[in-house]
Amino acid sequence: KQEVTQIPAALSVPEGENLVLNCSFTDSAIYNLQWFRQDPGKGLTSLLLIQSSQREQTSGRLNASLDKSSGRSTLYIAASQPGDSATYLCAVSGNTPLVFGKGTRLSVIA
Amino acid sequence: SAVISQKPSRDICQRGTSLTIQCQVDSQVTMMFWYRQQPGQSLTLIATANQGSEATYESGFVIDKFPISRPNLTFSTLTVSNMSPEDSSIYLCSVAPLASTDTQYFGPGTRLTVL
Repeated sequence: KQEVTQIPAALSVPEGENLVLNCSFTDSAIYNLQWFRQDPGKGLTSLLLIQSSQREQTSGRLNASLDKSSGRSTLYIAASQPGDSATYLCAVSGNTPLVFGKGTRLSVIA
Repeated sequence: SAVISQKPSRDICQRGTSLTIQCQVDSQVTMMFWYRQQPGQSLTLIATANQGSEATYESGFVIDKFPISRPNLTFSTLTVSNMSPEDSSIYLCSVAPLASTDTQYFGPGTRLTVL
């Protein structure tokens, strides 16, 4: 059974810092990995999708990497802003629908 | 991409009652899913809504408690039956336009509080 773990559970940084969120998964037989953002009381916004054959994806200040063999992914956020404050969820897709980690709650302090 | 709407966006219900949540997609999709997010927790898959047949439930979820309908390729409902305070959660509808290699899109969620 696929299990997804995210570290740290919470993170607080001053505005302007670069930061890395970590995600690990137990079963490397995945189709893709997605990073989502969730604002309090809201639904999910897809940030980046990495196919299993890819190593990384970039969108603006966000860069996600995937090392399928080791079961790890990172989300790098450059020059963080207060508007980046949210919970970031990692999810993997295999033969089943997405399996989610518990998320990292990020606070960017102005 | 797919645009998903859910009704209601939130509700407060009494113990023992039932609530039906609707999910509408702006295009035909192959797969539709229902997730639950309990307070402070991540998302857990409840079931896959199958068009024209019974839903496929994950371990720990049963049809009597969470009956699901999917009459066509753009619409599904989830009913939370005989509710208790433990059912207080956000319920999210999700769709996958293609098979597993594509992204999943999520609705805005329904925030349910059971008193």
